[in-house]
Amino acid sequence: SQQGEEDPQALSIQEGENATMNCSYKTSINNLQWYRQNSGRGLVHLILIRSNEREKHSGRLRVTLDTSKKSSSLLITASRAADTASYFCATLPNFGNEKLTFGTGTRLTIIP
Amino acid sequence: EPEVTQTPSHQVTQMGQEVILRCVPISNHLYFYWYRQILGQKVEFLVSFYNNEISEKSEIFDDQFSVERPDGSNFTLKIRSTKLEDSAMYFCASSGPGTGSNQPQHFGDGTRLSIL
Repeated sequence: SQQGEEDPQALSIQEGENATMNCSYKTSINNLQWYRQNSGRGLVHLILIRSNEREKHSGRLRVTLDTSKKSSSLLITASRAADTASYFCATLPNFGNEKLTFGTGTRLTIIP
Repeated sequence: EPEVTQTPSHQVTQMGQEVILRCVPISNHLYFYWYRQILGQKVEFLVSFYNNEISEKSEIFDDQFSVERPDGSNFTLKIRSTKLEDSAMYFCASSGPGTGSNQPQHFGDGTRLSIL
């Protein structure tokens, strides 16, 4: 798989349920970031987790990072219709540059 | 909250023409970037810019492309001799203040470039 692969590719859940998206990557990283993209819009930064962190919270978002498995997960609790969007993980390499490598994304649909 | 702004939102250009995409990064940010997203594909890094020079560029960013920070606020991407395959959404991003890799990158809403 390529650097930054999310699964599932698409996820539909009922409003109020929790949504979990996963991301795998191949090379060493400095940090991993999650972004949201509403249709036709730009990328909105959600959360950044550093390589020495294992879990991070921000509001209804919880991100985990397992560097031994080169994987991360994004959990959105108590989902809302407004959470409908595509979610991308992006990795920053461990060698000091600023180039983000994006995954393929998970398309999340919240059914009211 | 400060935003990255991009103009125009949509640019339609004949093949072979030159286009300039404009961005106003967040005012106290120090790092600037261009990415592109071809319809249905991943977001791809093009170039990063710091201290008035390119700090890194991808293999996509060949001699057809150039970036400039002509004044204290604008950051532009110029594409010469446009080709059909240049059709994509182009995103500008900025990060900072301060240096270091643990600063999130903030993206604009993009310019949709359509080459006819």
